[in-house]
Amino acid sequence: DAGVTQSPTHLIKTRGQQVTLRCSPKSGHDTVSWYQQALGQGPQFIFQYYEEEERQRGNFPDRFSGHQFPNYSSELNVNALLLGDSALYLCASSLGYLLRRGAFFGQGTRLTVV
Amino acid sequence: AQKITQTQPGMFVQEKEAVTLDCTYDTSDPSYGLFWYKQPSSGEMIFLIYQGSYDQQNATEGRYSLNFQKARKSANLVISASQLGDSAMYFCAMREVFYTGANSKLTFGKGITLSVRP
Repeated sequence: DAGVTQSPTHLIKTRGQQVTLRCSPKSGHDTVSWYQQALGQGPQFIFQYYEEEERQRGNFPDRFSGHQFPNYSSELNVNALLLGDSALYLCASSLGYLLRRGAFFGQGTRLTVV
Repeated sequence: AQKITQTQPGMFVQEKEAVTLDCTYDTSDPSYGLFWYKQPSSGEMIFLIYQGSYDQQNATEGRYSLNFQKARKSANLVISASQLGDSAMYFCAMREVFYTGANSKLTFGKGITLSVRP
């Protein structure tokens, strides 16, 4: 049973460009959350998708947007990239409510903006 | 708003010894959950242990135990019999409930680096 898979694993982009990150949740999971983890910091919640809708959003600008597909996979889009967007982007999946087991995380996409 | 505080600098422990990683939290919600995750250099966050605010006993998962002191708002992770593979970043996190029956986001601390010496 595959866990959470993210692609690509690494990415280098130029300031002002746009980027799309992808996430496939663990089999059977219907909810996907995205987190941004700057170097040396803990992950920060970006937003969460459930039933193809954004259910909750963290303190991130509108340049960050997302989508969830009928098969529960998800995309994170970032427009007009800034140097400060360089970070590890983590996708987490869960089922229904957050169980005692917690969310399952992927290995992340490391984005470097130059 | 919920907040997690992890203030320890990098921690070092000798192999086979026990180590305690500190975590304090702040919330006005009477119902919450506390998690510890391990993040090796590969980047994946690995679930270690969970403690619910209404749990009567401290949580244990193999070599991991949680020293939960609700009145002091602390949830320290104890790793017994440290192994070289325990070297990693460790994050304390709190669950925030958005609405009944739905998923909830995690609020993380800044993490603690643990290095296990042979």
